[in-house]
Amino acid sequence: QKEVEQNSGPLSVPEGAIASLNCTYSDRGSQSFFWYRQYSGKSPELIMSIYSNGDKEDGRFTAQLNKASQYVSLLIRDSQPSDSATYLCAVKYVDSWGKLQFGAGTQVVVTP
Amino acid sequence: SAVISQKPSRDICQRGTSLTIQCQVDSQVTMMFWYRQQPGQSLTLIATANQGSEATYESGFVIDKFPISRPNLTFSTLTVSNMSPEDSSIYLCSVERLRSGTGELFFGEGSRLTVL
Repeated sequence: QKEVEQNSGPLSVPEGAIASLNCTYSDRGSQSFFWYRQYSGKSPELIMSIYSNGDKEDGRFTAQLNKASQYVSLLIRDSQPSDSATYLCAVKYVDSWGKLQFGAGTQVVVTP
Repeated sequence: SAVISQKPSRDICQRGTSLTIQCQVDSQVTMMFWYRQQPGQSLTLIATANQGSEATYESGFVIDKFPISRPNLTFSTLTVSNMSPEDSSIYLCSVERLRSGTGELFFGEGSRLTVL
């Protein structure tokens, strides 16, 4: 059973601070990793993708991947109230067209 | 990214009835994917819809319960048949970023079904 694990939260973060979200996955054959943001009542929105070990930065977001330890993380710098949402980690396995294995999501609450 | 439109956006249905959800994409795509998100849960892939062939269903999902049509490269439907309250979920249509091979999926707005 391929699994993707996330802390459900809520993760409470003061405005302006860094939010750190973690995700672990069970299958070493995983090849692609994604972070989605989902506002309440809305569909998931892709915010980051990462494919190789190391860091990838996009604006206030940084994704970090460590395939040896089988974890992927997301950092949100200078957190804003608009960042309050559920963040879903998703993993794509080799030859699994369109099939992403999603974690349960971490709820982030940014407090002013 | 492709523009993905779903209809209906929400509906309240009676037990035992069926509902068909439509998904329209503004570009031609080879594969379209149907996901389900049950209340408080994450997303689970129901099936992959390819134009001109039978849909491929994931474990736990069957064609009799979730028949899928894919008449052309921009459109698909998912029917939720003989609904029960356990089918109350958000149903999401998705496609991969065009010609990228990246695995990045984009989702429609979703269809929120409540079964009474």
